[in-house]
Amino acid sequence: DIVMTQSPDSLAVSLGERATINCKSSRSVLYSSNNKNYLAWYQQTPGQPPKLLIYWASTRDSGVPDRFSGSGSGTDFTLTISSLQAEDVAVYYCQQYYSSPRTFGQGTKVEIK
Amino acid sequence: QVQLQESGPGLVKPSETLSLTCSVSGGSISTYNWNWIRQPPGKGLEWIGYIHYSGSTNYNPSLKSRVTISVDTSKNQFSLMLTSVTAADTAVYYCARAPDYDISTGTPYYFDYWGQGTLITVSS
Repeated sequence: DIVMTQSPDSLAVSLGERATINCKSSRSVLYSSNNKNYLAWYQQTPGQPPKLLIYWASTRDSGVPDRFSGSGSGTDFTLTISSLQAEDVAVYYCQQYYSSPRTFGQGTKVEIK
Repeated sequence: QVQLQESGPGLVKPSETLSLTCSVSGGSISTYNWNWIRQPPGKGLEWIGYIHYSGSTNYNPSLKSRVTISVDTSKNQFSLMLTSVTAADTAVYYCARAPDYDISTGTPYYFDYWGQGTLITVSS
């Protein structure tokens, strides 16, 4: 199985400041034949199901604010919230879909400082 | 707008079989690909398995011996059965849609619509 490791486990950021979450995969999730990274990001607020934010490592899902961006390639990826809003308090997960079984990171909790 | 809703018993006794159903509304189940994912209380997410509307399936090897996912296109529903449950199977169970999948392996890509989830507790 591909192991997804996120860092940090939690972070506290002031409103309007940047939040950066890292995700590292135990093997590359870049498929050389199409040059696509098979990685997604989700946001989970308390008591809610996860919500898809980003897929193919950097493509925002429909309706996701542009303050959310994804970057990286191969084994190292980043989710950036450019200007943290109160509604962004949540746990964020990365997920690889390069190989089976699909696996998720352990989650990163984002709070307001 | 596609909506998914899980339904199930809430409490299951150890060694028994957990059965859940996911009802899909706002779109046909005979398109896209359908999944079960679970989350133990306070923990992360685990993909359980997937069913294509044609009936082909793919399961997480860690659960494969105990899992069956089936689809009923006439009711726009798909279901999960997990046998011989233990306390370790206590979790919120989500159904989710995958808009695309790997044709060669029969496994889903990412998950774009999720149900609200249902907590299943395994206890005597």
